[in-house]
Amino acid sequence: AQSVTQLDSQVPVFEEAPVELRCNYSSSVSVYLFWYVQYPNQGLQLLLKYLSGSTLVKGINGFEAEFNKSQTSFHLRKPSVHISDTAEYFCAVTRQSTDKLIFGTGTRLQVFP
Amino acid sequence: DTGVSQDPRHKITKRGQNVTFRCDPISEHNRLYWYRQTLGQGPEFLTYFQNEAQLEKSRLLSDRFSAERPKGSFSTLEIQRTEQGDSAMYLCASSPSGSSNQPQHFGDGTRLSIL
Repeated sequence: AQSVTQLDSQVPVFEEAPVELRCNYSSSVSVYLFWYVQYPNQGLQLLLKYLSGSTLVKGINGFEAEFNKSQTSFHLRKPSVHISDTAEYFCAVTRQSTDKLIFGTGTRLQVFP
Repeated sequence: DTGVSQDPRHKITKRGQNVTFRCDPISEHNRLYWYRQTLGQGPEFLTYFQNEAQLEKSRLLSDRFSAERPKGSFSTLEIQRTEQGDSAMYLCASSPSGSSNQPQHFGDGTRLSIL
Protein backbone atom coordinates (compact mmCIF):
# COMPACT_ATOMS: atom_id res chain seq x y z
CA ALA A 1 0.00 0.00 0.00
CA GLN A 2 1.07 3.51 -0.64
CA SER A 3 1.39 6.23 1.96
CA VAL A 4 2.60 9.80 2.16
CA THR A 5 4.20 11.39 5.20
CA GLN A 6 4.53 15.11 5.62
CA LEU A 7 6.88 15.47 8.50
CA ASP A 8 5.95 18.99 9.57
CA SER A 9 2.38 19.96 10.37
CA GLN A 10 3.31 23.65 10.61
CA VAL A 11 6.21 25.68 9.26
CA PRO A 12 6.53 29.30 10.41
CA VAL A 13 8.91 31.48 8.42
CA PHE A 14 9.63 35.16 7.91
CA GLU A 15 8.98 36.85 4.59
CA GLU A 16 11.83 36.59 2.05
CA ALA A 17 13.38 33.62 3.89
CA PRO A 18 13.85 30.25 2.15
CA VAL A 19 11.57 27.36 3.03
CA GLU A 20 11.51 23.59 2.61
CA LEU A 21 8.41 21.47 3.16
CA ARG A 22 9.23 17.80 3.56
CA CYS A 23 7.44 14.86 2.00
CA ASN A 24 8.29 11.17 2.09
CA TYR A 25 6.35 8.42 0.38
CA SER A 26 6.28 4.67 0.52
CA SER A 27 5.46 2.51 -2.45
CA SER A 28 6.81 -0.68 -3.91
CA VAL A 29 6.02 0.40 -7.45
CA SER A 30 6.71 3.42 -9.62
CA VAL A 31 4.70 6.46 -8.68
CA TYR A 32 3.84 9.92 -9.83
CA LEU A 33 4.27 12.71 -7.27
CA PHE A 34 2.43 15.98 -6.87
CA TRP A 35 2.35 19.05 -4.66
CA TYR A 36 -0.91 20.94 -4.24
CA VAL A 37 -1.64 24.20 -2.39
CA GLN A 38 -4.92 24.98 -0.64
CA TYR A 39 -5.92 28.49 0.38
CA PRO A 40 -8.64 28.92 3.06
CA ASN A 41 -12.08 27.73 1.97
CA GLN A 42 -10.85 26.81 -1.47
CA GLY A 43 -10.03 23.66 -3.39
CA LEU A 44 -6.56 22.43 -4.24
CA GLN A 45 -4.36 24.02 -6.88
CA LEU A 46 -1.56 22.08 -8.54
CA LEU A 47 1.90 23.51 -7.82
CA LEU A 48 4.03 20.96 -9.63
CA LYS A 49 4.33 17.29 -10.56
CA TYR A 50 7.00 14.66 -11.07
CA LEU A 51 6.28 12.02 -13.69
CA SER A 52 9.73 10.98 -14.94
CA GLY A 53 12.97 12.43 -16.23
CA SER A 54 14.76 15.27 -14.46
CA THR A 55 14.52 14.92 -10.71
CA LEU A 56 14.30 18.69 -10.19
CA VAL A 57 10.84 19.92 -11.03
CA LYS A 58 9.88 23.58 -11.28
CA GLY A 59 6.33 24.71 -10.59
CA ILE A 60 4.24 27.82 -10.30
CA ASN A 61 4.81 30.74 -7.93
CA GLY A 62 8.57 30.09 -7.75
CA PHE A 63 8.29 26.66 -6.10
CA GLU A 64 10.41 23.67 -7.02
CA ALA A 65 10.75 20.11 -5.75
CA GLU A 66 13.35 17.41 -6.00
CA PHE A 67 12.56 13.73 -6.42
CA ASN A 68 14.98 11.49 -4.54
CA LYS A 69 14.27 7.84 -5.26
CA SER A 70 16.82 6.42 -2.81
CA GLN A 71 15.37 8.44 0.05
CA THR A 72 11.79 8.18 -1.26
CA SER A 73 11.41 11.91 -0.79
CA PHE A 74 9.87 14.78 -2.74
CA HIS A 75 10.61 17.91 -0.75
CA LEU A 76 9.19 21.27 -1.82
CA ARG A 77 11.35 24.39 -1.74
CA LYS A 78 11.15 28.09 -2.39
CA PRO A 79 14.19 30.38 -2.09
CA SER A 80 12.26 33.43 -0.91
CA VAL A 81 8.69 33.28 0.41
CA HIS A 82 6.03 35.95 0.31
CA ILE A 83 3.15 36.69 2.66
CA SER A 84 0.79 35.41 -0.04
CA ASP A 85 2.39 31.93 0.19
CA THR A 86 0.62 31.40 3.52
CA ALA A 87 -1.53 28.33 2.88
CA GLU A 88 -1.81 24.57 3.40
CA TYR A 89 0.44 22.45 1.21
CA PHE A 90 -0.28 18.82 0.36
CA CYS A 91 2.02 16.21 -1.10
CA ALA A 92 0.29 13.44 -3.04
CA VAL A 93 1.19 10.25 -4.87
CA THR A 94 -0.51 8.06 -7.40
CA ARG A 95 0.63 4.78 -8.89
CA GLN A 96 0.97 4.38 -12.62
CA SER A 97 -1.81 1.80 -12.61
CA THR A 98 -4.46 3.76 -10.74
CA ASP A 99 -5.89 7.24 -10.76
CA LYS A 100 -6.62 7.91 -7.14
CA LEU A 101 -4.42 10.36 -5.32
CA ILE A 102 -3.11 9.50 -1.88
CA PHE A 103 -2.49 12.67 0.10
CA GLY A 104 -0.36 13.49 3.10
CA THR A 105 -1.87 15.25 6.09
CA GLY A 106 -0.63 18.64 4.92
CA THR A 107 1.83 21.29 6.08
CA ARG A 108 0.60 24.71 7.05
CA LEU A 109 3.06 27.35 5.87
CA GLN A 110 2.72 30.57 7.83
CA VAL A 111 4.72 33.53 6.49
CA PHE A 112 5.28 36.43 8.87
CA PRO A 113 6.24 39.99 7.89
CA ASP B 1 -11.18 29.10 -18.69
CA THR B 2 -14.00 27.40 -16.77
CA GLY B 3 -12.74 25.28 -13.92
CA VAL B 4 -14.45 22.62 -11.86
CA SER B 5 -17.65 23.96 -10.33
CA GLN B 6 -19.31 22.62 -7.18
CA ASP B 7 -22.71 23.45 -5.75
CA PRO B 8 -23.59 24.33 -3.08
CA ARG B 9 -20.49 25.79 -1.43
CA HIS B 10 -21.93 25.26 2.02
CA LYS B 11 -24.63 22.96 3.32
CA ILE B 12 -25.95 22.86 6.88
CA THR B 13 -28.42 20.15 7.72
CA LYS B 14 -29.80 18.18 10.63
CA ARG B 15 -28.65 14.68 11.40
CA GLY B 16 -30.73 12.12 9.56
CA GLN B 17 -31.49 14.29 6.55
CA ASN B 18 -30.44 13.49 2.99
CA VAL B 19 -28.14 15.82 1.06
CA THR B 20 -27.03 15.97 -2.56
CA PHE B 21 -24.05 17.78 -4.01
CA ARG B 22 -23.34 18.57 -7.63
CA CYS B 23 -20.06 18.77 -9.52
CA ASP B 24 -19.54 20.14 -13.02
CA PRO B 25 -16.13 19.12 -14.35
CA ILE B 26 -14.01 20.92 -16.93
CA SER B 27 -15.89 20.29 -20.16
CA GLU B 28 -13.33 18.21 -22.04
CA HIS B 29 -12.39 16.07 -19.02
CA ASN B 30 -13.62 12.48 -19.07
CA ARG B 31 -12.56 11.54 -15.56
CA LEU B 32 -14.27 12.82 -12.44
CA TYR B 33 -13.29 12.17 -8.83
CA TRP B 34 -14.81 12.71 -5.41
CA TYR B 35 -12.71 13.19 -2.27
CA ARG B 36 -13.58 13.94 1.34
CA GLN B 37 -11.47 16.21 3.52
CA THR B 38 -11.96 16.43 7.28
CA LEU B 39 -10.47 19.18 9.41
CA GLY B 40 -6.69 19.02 9.62
CA GLN B 41 -6.40 16.13 7.18
CA GLY B 42 -5.57 15.66 3.55
CA PRO B 43 -8.29 14.71 1.08
CA GLU B 44 -9.31 11.03 1.02
CA PHE B 45 -10.41 9.32 -2.17
CA LEU B 46 -14.06 8.29 -2.36
CA THR B 47 -14.79 7.29 -5.96
CA TYR B 48 -14.12 8.10 -9.59
CA PHE B 49 -15.80 7.93 -12.99
CA GLN B 50 -14.57 7.47 -16.53
CA ASN B 51 -17.38 9.10 -18.50
CA GLU B 52 -20.54 7.60 -16.97
CA ALA B 53 -18.88 4.46 -15.62
CA GLN B 54 -18.01 4.35 -11.93
CA LEU B 55 -14.66 2.57 -11.96
CA GLU B 56 -13.59 2.51 -8.32
CA LYS B 57 -15.16 3.05 -4.92
CA SER B 58 -13.34 3.45 -1.63
CA ARG B 59 -14.32 1.48 1.45
CA LEU B 60 -15.03 4.93 2.93
CA LEU B 61 -18.08 5.08 0.69
CA SER B 62 -20.64 3.35 2.89
CA ASP B 63 -24.03 2.25 1.60
CA ARG B 64 -25.43 5.63 2.65
CA PHE B 65 -23.33 7.27 -0.06
CA SER B 66 -24.12 7.10 -3.75
CA ALA B 67 -22.51 8.88 -6.67
CA GLU B 68 -23.75 9.13 -10.22
CA ARG B 69 -22.64 10.61 -13.50
CA PRO B 70 -25.57 9.71 -15.75
CA LYS B 71 -24.53 11.41 -18.97
CA GLY B 72 -20.82 11.50 -18.45
CA SER B 73 -20.88 15.21 -17.72
CA PHE B 74 -21.88 16.50 -14.26
CA SER B 75 -21.91 14.24 -11.23
CA THR B 76 -23.94 14.10 -8.03
CA LEU B 77 -22.96 12.75 -4.64
CA GLU B 78 -25.83 11.88 -2.32
CA ILE B 79 -25.57 11.11 1.37
CA GLN B 80 -28.61 9.51 2.97
CA ARG B 81 -29.44 9.62 6.68
CA THR B 82 -26.54 11.95 7.45
CA GLU B 83 -24.49 11.42 10.59
CA GLN B 84 -22.25 13.76 12.59
CA GLY B 85 -19.19 12.05 11.14
CA ASP B 86 -20.20 13.09 7.65
CA SER B 87 -19.28 16.70 8.42
CA ALA B 88 -16.42 17.47 6.05
CA MET B 89 -15.43 19.25 2.87
CA TYR B 90 -16.39 17.26 -0.21
CA LEU B 91 -14.08 17.94 -3.12
CA CYS B 92 -14.61 17.14 -6.76
CA ALA B 93 -11.81 16.93 -9.31
CA SER B 94 -11.56 16.17 -13.02
CA SER B 95 -8.84 15.21 -15.45
CA PRO B 96 -8.49 14.26 -19.11
CA SER B 97 -8.70 10.55 -19.87
CA GLY B 98 -5.50 8.66 -20.29
CA SER B 99 -2.88 7.55 -17.84
CA SER B 100 -2.74 8.52 -14.19
CA ASN B 101 -0.06 11.13 -14.88
CA GLN B 102 -2.70 13.63 -15.89
CA PRO B 103 -3.07 16.12 -13.02
CA GLN B 104 -6.44 16.42 -11.36
CA HIS B 105 -8.09 19.85 -11.27
CA PHE B 106 -10.10 20.52 -8.12
CA GLY B 107 -13.21 22.54 -7.44
CA ASP B 108 -13.62 24.73 -4.36
CA GLY B 109 -15.58 22.04 -2.54
CA THR B 110 -18.85 21.75 -0.68
CA ARG B 111 -18.56 22.13 3.08
CA LEU B 112 -21.12 19.98 4.88
CA SER B 113 -22.02 20.67 8.49
CA ILE B 114 -24.30 18.27 10.35
CA LEU B 115 -26.14 19.75 13.35
